Amino acid sequence: DAGVIQSPRHEVTEMGQEVTLRCKPISGHDYLFWYRQTMMRGLELLIYFNNNVPIDDSGMPEDRFSAKMPNASFSTLKIQPSEPRDSAVYFCASSSGTPQQYFGPGTRLTVL
Amino acid sequence: DAKTTQPPSMDCAEGRAANLPCNHSTISGNEYVYWYRQIHSQGPQYIIHGLKNNETNEMASLIITEDRKSSTLILPHATLRDTAVYYCIVDSGAGSYQLTFGKGTKLSVIP
Repeated sequence: DAGVIQSPRHEVTEMGQEVTLRCKPISGHDYLFWYRQTMMRGLELLIYFNNNVPIDDSGMPEDRFSAKMPNASFSTLKIQPSEPRDSAVYFCASSSGTPQQYFGPGTRLTVL
Repeated sequence: DAKTTQPPSMDCAEGRAANLPCNHSTISGNEYVYWYRQIHSQGPQYIIHGLKNNETNEMASLIITEDRKSSTLILPHATLRDTAVYYCIVDSGAGSYQLTFGKGTKLSVIP
């Protein structure tokens, strides 16, 4: 199994631009999680899905952030418009409803 | 309120056992203890979890005190590749298994 796949691995953009991060979970996993990691705030859960349905988005910082999961094998996290304070590493993780979450390699986002 | 307390950093000599403590004095009866680690620039990696009994797998052992207010993760023979931040997480695991990561313990394995 290839594990959780995220793209791009690195993204550099300018303030005000739209950013889309992508995630392919492990096949057969029905839970998908988006996390953000910064030095100041550590690793934070943004949103999670169960069977493609968003269950809890209370961690999403503001309306500029949105996440979708159109099917079991693909999810996106979009930031529009992006701001410098959004610079962070964004992780996607999936699980089959057990305590063991499998994390992707992350996307390092830099907003100039 | 933080559910767990861990030392910010620890050193361990290569080849020796690394014992990472975690206090979770407010843990409730249905809450599990999970351990994850994050090697620099990688995503977190699941290590082990337990409820009441001690657990062992190919990576580590988890020792939970009888009152469940603290636990210790043991890496029996630490290698340089075990240098990472180790997170102790307490959660009920009911349904979604949402994980709340604290600051963790930065373990440095010294040659």
